[in-house]
Amino acid sequence: GENVEQHPSTLSVQEGDSAVIKCTYSDSASNYFPWYKQELGKRPQLIIDIRSNVGEKKDQRIAVTLNKTAKHFSLHITETQPEDSAVYFCAARGKSSNYKLTFGKGTLLTVNP
Amino acid sequence: DVKVTQSSRYLVKRTGEKVFLECVQDMDHENMFWYRQDPGLGLRLIYFSYDVKMKEKGDIPEGYSVSREKKERFSLILESASTNQTSMYLCASNSLDRGFNEKLFFGSGTQLSVL
Repeated sequence: GENVEQHPSTLSVQEGDSAVIKCTYSDSASNYFPWYKQELGKRPQLIIDIRSNVGEKKDQRIAVTLNKTAKHFSLHITETQPEDSAVYFCAARGKSSNYKLTFGKGTLLTVNP
Repeated sequence: DVKVTQSSRYLVKRTGEKVFLECVQDMDHENMFWYRQDPGLGLRLIYFSYDVKMKEKGDIPEGYSVSREKKERFSLILESASTNQTSMYLCASNSLDRGFNEKLFFGSGTQLSVL
């Protein structure tokens, strides 16, 4: 089945800096890549997603890039704010996993004021 | 907004007990999922269902079963609870029929402790 690796597992930045979280996937037929944010004690929520026919997608301060050749995708957060502090999960959906989402292990992002 | 409701926020059970975790969604979603969340391991899929009475194994189905008798309700069953099933359990739902929007809507989770 699909295997998703996520790095780093923890990331600490100063407020206003940028943060980048990277994921790699194993199934070259995967075609959907969402990112979920989970604040402490709350449920995961979708923040952005990208499909395999697009190389980059932006939504205000967040962006996701996809490199299909290298089988990796990244989340970029610019001008970080304390409320960006959370656990971020990447995921991939591919044919090898019968089109189920496979999640990475998560990245704990801490934005220091 | 979509509401996915899990019946219990915290649950404490004893080893060997049969445990039922209930999940209800109110948006007529076809697909429902049960995930397990453990620190450092991310979200791992236990079972999912894409229609009433249909179920498919996820990545870690051992020790679990599910039931979907009605479209809005998806139950996770631990036949004989063990201490290694102590975890946060998250239910989720989505529909692929509406503008190809695959967004997963999660419940608030059930923290299960097996003693």
